[in-house]
Amino acid sequence: QLQLQESGPGLVKPSETLSLTCTVSGGSIRSSYYYWGWIRQPPGKGLEWIGSLSYSGSPSYNPSLESRVAISVDTSKNQFSLKVTSVTAGDTAVYYCARHSITTTFAFDIWGQGTLVTVSS
Amino acid sequence: EIVLTQSPGTLSLSPGERATLSCRASQSVGSTYLAWYQQKPGQAPRLLIYGASSRATGIPDRFSGSGSGTDFTLTISRLEPEDFAVYYCQQYGSSYTFGQGTKLEFK
Repeated sequence: QLQLQESGPGLVKPSETLSLTCTVSGGSIRSSYYYWGWIRQPPGKGLEWIGSLSYSGSPSYNPSLESRVAISVDTSKNQFSLKVTSVTAGDTAVYYCARHSITTTFAFDIWGQGTLVTVSS
Repeated sequence: EIVLTQSPGTLSLSPGERATLSCRASQSVGSTYLAWYQQKPGQAPRLLIYGASSRATGIPDRFSGSGSGTDFTLTISRLEPEDFAVYYCQQYGSSYTFGQGTKLEFK
């Protein structure tokens, strides 16, 4: 049973860089059938896609965040990571990592439990 | 960017009733790249429907999806107590965007 787990600091200061890692267990990140993505949800609000990548391809990003976001993969650790630079209070959210699969026409079929990141001094 | 508008914002129903949730896209998303998710408080979203009408693994058959182009519907035929939650539609044909959600609450 494949599982995803987010990890990283729960508190980040304004103007600094938010860094999160998603660890994939119960399966390999190295598959051409899957993409790996990040989605966030501000408290009490809706979902926003941040970006996605495959283990071998270039990442794609939400145009509204593209200038501040980077997603990368470490196949040796079965992990992928998110960095958001120059954060503000508006970046406070629960951050989810998720898999999208060719078997579900690339809908997000498996999600991590999410991790709350608060931007505050 | 394709904008998804869900209606109603809140739907008040009782167990056993039928729920019909709507998702309208600002431009066509075809029929392959529309999904529905269920989210309960404190939990991650769960995939219910992909490709507009295919149920994800383990999803009960009381959940069904339909539509194509710009108009899509999620139907829950007979509500169970555990179905009261927030539902999001998502398109992934052109980048990825989510609707703002429909809250399904007890009447």
